[in-house]
Amino acid sequence: SAVISQKPSRDICQRGTSLTIQCQVDSQVTMMFWYRQQPGQSLTLIATANQGSEATYESGFVIDKFPISRPNLTFSTLTVSNLSPEDSSIYLCSVPDRGLEKLFFGSGTQLSVL
Amino acid sequence: TQLLEQSPQFLSIQEGENLTVYCNSSSVFSSLQWYRQEPGEGPVLLVTVVTGGEVKKLKRLTFQFGDARKDSSLHITAAQPGDTGLYLCAGRVADSWGKLQFGAGTQVVVTP
Repeated sequence: SAVISQKPSRDICQRGTSLTIQCQVDSQVTMMFWYRQQPGQSLTLIATANQGSEATYESGFVIDKFPISRPNLTFSTLTVSNLSPEDSSIYLCSVPDRGLEKLFFGSGTQLSVL
Repeated sequence: TQLLEQSPQFLSIQEGENLTVYCNSSSVFSSLQWYRQEPGEGPVLLVTVVTGGEVKKLKRLTFQFGDARKDSSLHITAAQPGDTGLYLCAGRVADSWGKLQFGAGTQVVVTP
């Protein structure tokens, strides 16, 4: 199993500012995923963070809004830029097990935008 | 487009009662997983079902994968307050390594 430390656990931000979320894994992993979880909606994959290359974004998500860094095999950050109330959500980082069969999740970041 | 539809969205029951949560899709999945998420935590995997018609039991939880691998159900017998949480199903489409499609979840509340 993988132990994932995600921070901050929650934050309240003003419109127009940015929030950077950090995700630290206790082992080296090739892929790290960033998800958004909005109330009443399914977990939605934002992007896959790849070490040594650009992140791969899913449809509807762009790098300018959600820049991602992946400096090494145990760490990644997701920034949510130019915040608006619609960005209020839980953001989760996740890594797959070695067999790519299941996902381990961080505890999430609850973001509220005023 | 949400590929996986979960029902009901919310379920409140008394301790000792039984409950069933459903996960339906028009798509075929190579495997389907159930996760439970508690407040302030990320989802935690409960089970993976792979074969059509497969039934897996985890203590008081019974998971079933539909014969056509398009749907699944989770049945909890004699629910306890510790079963309270958001139950999420997630399906993997063939050749989509590492990527899962999640349902919106069923919030289960078990009161003593």
